[in-house]
Amino acid sequence: DAKTTQPNSMESNEEEPVHLPCNHSTISGTDYIHWYRQLPSQGPEYVIHGLTSNVNNRMASLAIAEDRKSSTLILHRATLRDAAVYYCILSATLTGNTPLVFGKGTRLSVIA
Amino acid sequence: DTGVSQDPRHKITKRGQNVTFRCDPISEHNRLYWYRQTLGQGPEFLTYFQNEAQLEKSRLLSDRFSAERPKGSFSTLEIQRTEQGDSAMYLCASSVTSGTNNEQFFGPGTRLTVL
Repeated sequence: DAKTTQPNSMESNEEEPVHLPCNHSTISGTDYIHWYRQLPSQGPEYVIHGLTSNVNNRMASLAIAEDRKSSTLILHRATLRDAAVYYCILSATLTGNTPLVFGKGTRLSVIA
Repeated sequence: DTGVSQDPRHKITKRGQNVTFRCDPISEHNRLYWYRQTLGQGPEFLTYFQNEAQLEKSRLLSDRFSAERPKGSFSTLEIQRTEQGDSAMYLCASSVTSGTNNEQFFGPGTRLTVL
């Protein structure tokens, strides 16, 4: 699986938007971009995924660069509950049915 | 709660002892995964099953580690002759291969401390 690069940490004020970047310059044409997050003392949880087009769901939005070499996870209004480690993961499959390759992720702190 | 459960949540053992962890996946999920996570790192894949068949083992899974899923439901991960380097969080996840599933569902993990 191709490698991703994320900042080690980011900080946001509560109720403000957060943009979490991910670089994946060696992404292949068929790799999907998945995001998971891990709240303190919990297992990771799925956030969103995409291939080429921008995606929205109830948790977040995913903006994918036209050349697909980078993507950005957008939390529209950060809450204290969004403080977590966010992982950007590339997978050769659309489904969640193959082992995930996690990096170190970005630790997001939310300030009240 | 019908999520993935793991038991025990915490285990402290002495070096050289054997330990066994259990994972109960979401009931209709046919794939089950084990990951290990050390402090400050993301989870690392260890092994996974489809029903009772073990499909892949990571190079991280030394001979002291063995995993089973005998009836295609719950799974156990055993570590023999534990070493201090085995101290980590052991995470289990499950997924279903039918339909348009896009995610793995993780349990809360078992934290192992080897003294």
